[in-house]
Amino acid sequence: QVQLQESGPGLVKPSETLSLTCEVSGYYISRGYYWGWIRQPPGKGLEWIGSIDQSGSTYYNPSLKSRVTISIDTSKNKFSLRLSSVTAADTAVYYCARHPHSILRGVTTLYWFDPWGQGTLVTVSS
Amino acid sequence: EIVLTQSPGTLSLSPGERATLSCRASQSVSSSYLAWYQQKPGQAPRLLIYGASSRATGIPDRFSGSGSGTDFTLTISRLEPEDFAVYYCQQYGSSPSTFGQGTKLEIK
Repeated sequence: QVQLQESGPGLVKPSETLSLTCEVSGYYISRGYYWGWIRQPPGKGLEWIGSIDQSGSTYYNPSLKSRVTISIDTSKNKFSLRLSSVTAADTAVYYCARHPHSILRGVTTLYWFDPWGQGTLVTVSS
Repeated sequence: EIVLTQSPGTLSLSPGERATLSCRASQSVSSSYLAWYQQKPGQAPRLLIYGASSRATGIPDRFSGSGSGTDFTLTISRLEPEDFAVYYCQQYGSSPSTFGQGTKLEIK
């Protein structure tokens, strides 16, 4: 079955760039679906960050768009997140997940998230 | 963006009881594009329901979803010990996709 695994530094300094990778197993990401990032600050709710498909087409949450870059490497079956100029407010568990989508009359709709990776805690602190 | 408000914040029930969780949207969710997730401590969320009422693969039939427009409900017909967790709703009919703040279902 499809499995996702996040990896990257657990500690990032303020003003620096957070970089995470999600490795996918059990499914070739070149075959389709969108692949997304979601985060959850400690003790709080969930926030969608952005998503990418196998062609590199991306969608970002407007609240983070100016600082986010998501990329994909289909040859290595992984996709990545970069979040620049981080502050303590970016401290969170970061999850990657797969999500289906549809395209109707040229409009792409991204659906639910399933499955999810186990998540990785990133702390922003000096 | 659409704001989802879940109620109650905490629900205290006993195993065997029925649980009813609410998710209300600040504006209509198109095509009933609403999902429910279960999250246990230290774990990632797990998809339960999509399209407001369709159960995800492997989800027991004691979980059911209903609703449309701005009001949605997750019902657990008879609580099992493993059902005590935090539940989130997500709307994906309008970008950006947003989540509710969660309902904690705790053992009474």
